[in-house]
Amino acid sequence: EPEVTQTPSHQVTQMGQEVILRCVPISNHLYFYWYRQILGQKVEFLVSFYNNEISEKSEIFDDQFSVERPDGSNFTLKIRSTKLEDSAMYFCASSARRAVPTTYNSPLHFGNGTRLTVT
Amino acid sequence: AQKITQTQPGMFVQEKEAVTLDCTYDTSDPSYGLFWYKQPSSGEMIFLIYQGSYDQQNATEGRYSLNFQKARKSANLVISASQLGDSAMYFCAMRETGGGNKLTFGTGTQLKVEL
Repeated sequence: EPEVTQTPSHQVTQMGQEVILRCVPISNHLYFYWYRQILGQKVEFLVSFYNNEISEKSEIFDDQFSVERPDGSNFTLKIRSTKLEDSAMYFCASSARRAVPTTYNSPLHFGNGTRLTVT
Repeated sequence: AQKITQTQPGMFVQEKEAVTLDCTYDTSDPSYGLFWYKQPSSGEMIFLIYQGSYDQQNATEGRYSLNFQKARKSANLVISASQLGDSAMYFCAMRETGGGNKLTFGTGTQLKVEL
């Protein structure tokens, strides 16, 4: 069964450094997302991406964050200057099409996550 | 106001018993979808079941069923015949028509299945 893959599984970085988290969504999916989960807390939406542009972003997704789909398969999240509070599990997800909740079951399929530790 | 409320931070159930995990939601959208995800201790997020707001029947997927009570805005997950492997965090999530394509998650319920 196709799956979303994320690399690396664990990233340790120093405060102020740039990190790039990588994701390969499911190949025929059109919508891509990043979520984060601070340890023991709920899963929070960061950004959604469609047709090579951001379709929606949350308050968390400030100027320090950016996303890119550099080629036909990868989807990346960059944090320019990491802060201690950026330490979290970052999940990439993809879905096949825009959901019309009345008629479509279009769940988000999540990768296994990248655990980012900022020291 | 919280869009998704899961009031049970932790639940215990004996193996082979059924368990209900509660989820209530808040939306003014007439059209929305409700999802349940499982997160084992290994961390991945596994999609379990979906219920659309206009679905007449409660959703079922194997041992998972969704007790959807639209008037009460609740979408409780029922796991029948619990197994040790069901021990995990369970998240309820909602997608609203007016909310873009994103899912909004609740705080989760940690389920522990005991022998």
